[in-house]
Amino acid sequence: GQQVKQSSPSLTVQEGGISILNCDYENDMFDYFAWYKKYPDNSPTLLISVRSNVDKREDGRLTVFLNKSGKHFSLHITASQPEDTAVYLCAAGAPSGGSNYKLTFGKGTLLTVTP
Amino acid sequence: NAGVIQTPRHKVTGKGQEATLWCEPISGHSAVFWYRQTIVQGLEFLTYFRNQAPIDDSGMPKERFSAQMPNQSHSTLKIQSTQPQDSAVYLCASSLRRVTEVFFGKGTRLTVV
Repeated sequence: GQQVKQSSPSLTVQEGGISILNCDYENDMFDYFAWYKKYPDNSPTLLISVRSNVDKREDGRLTVFLNKSGKHFSLHITASQPEDTAVYLCAAGAPSGGSNYKLTFGKGTLLTVTP
Repeated sequence: NAGVIQTPRHKVTGKGQEATLWCEPISGHSAVFWYRQTIVQGLEFLTYFRNQAPIDDSGMPKERFSAQMPNQSHSTLKIQSTQPQDSAVYLCASSLRRVTEVFFGKGTRLTVV
């Protein structure tokens, strides 16, 4: 089955509103959680990430919330702008063979911010 | 810093032919990852190297797919006897040791006709 799941393939938010993107995971071994933004040229770029020892991290307009008991994490984007329109990929990671993490990605949510 | 460089950006190959995809990681990065992206499956992990050694190839199809990293400046993904279902965007990524952020290349779009 899908280890990391984004249940909403798309989301539309009005400019200035809060965008909430959700991700569920299955593997208890995941201890790193991240959100990537995918540009049209196919390069996902890291937006924000957290380790499992924290349940919230803020960076400007972005906040990640982690609910370990519910195996769920989310990305909140405040004051959403049209330029936030993109595909957002959630990813969860577990150590693989030492210090590096193997990431498992969700299938993505297309966020559209309308003026 | 040119980022992770993947060549070619697009490749069209006939069914049954071999395809070799190239990746140049960011200089100094010790880990190199290969992913495959399709509409149906999304972004799937294939394999990863650390300091040129294969560490985890659990996502690689057992037949026809192989990956190598002959030196620290490049890795290759080779697909033998390509099939239409191999059509996808293949993404390479690299990261520093002990750092979880991975930096992706722009991908190679492989089309098998």
